[in-house]
Amino acid sequence: DGGITQSPKYLFRKEGQNVTLSCEQNLNHDAMYWYRQDPGQGLRLIYYSQIVNDFQKGDIAEGYSVSREKKESFPLTVTSAQKNPTAFYLCASSLQGYFNTEAFFGQGTRLTVV
Amino acid sequence: AQKVTQAQTEISVVEKEDVTLDCVYETRDTTYYLFWYKQPPSGELVFLIRRNSFDEQNEISGRYSWNFQKSTSSFNFTITASQVVDSAVYFCALSEAEETSGSRLTFGEGTQLTVNP
Repeated sequence: DGGITQSPKYLFRKEGQNVTLSCEQNLNHDAMYWYRQDPGQGLRLIYYSQIVNDFQKGDIAEGYSVSREKKESFPLTVTSAQKNPTAFYLCASSLQGYFNTEAFFGQGTRLTVV
Repeated sequence: AQKVTQAQTEISVVEKEDVTLDCVYETRDTTYYLFWYKQPPSGELVFLIRRNSFDEQNEISGRYSWNFQKSTSSFNFTITASQVVDSAVYFCALSEAEETSGSRLTFGEGTQLTVNP
């Protein structure tokens, strides 16, 4: 089945550590996105990529980094510079990076700092 | 800047009741799209509907209906004869016609709908 796979589902991080969240899609979509969800705040855009080897910062990119070496993959690294990383992270993709296309979402990764 | 407001944080209804989820948006663009997504307990967001800024016709899909009114910048979502399976968080989102930003969505805060048997 086509879709977006995020792993792991749950992730625990010690303070000061970098962690990488995986996102893979087999929908042949050009554009991919990372959102962060906090209670009562909806989803906020971290980074997005409309094409391989290119990506742009979203609204809350500080403390995060991404890469887009393959069309299918868009990993997100939460660095130690991110002061409050505990959140639910959602990866999404869309067929074309245009404003009128719906995005498809993965099942998310819940990151907790311990 | 664009903004989406869902003033209802939580709604609780009894099965078979009708329920309306409110969405108000702000944008300077004349060309934009509005979306509704459902987030069940499993976590992934499920696309429900897309509406462009030039199409104000209401839409009905089974028990779901949407009312888009540009005059009040609202895009409300009604579930008729609600069912327990409708329990989820519902998000309204806005996408503007910026060429360089792709399909970046601005989300509302979400409304947690609980349908009790």
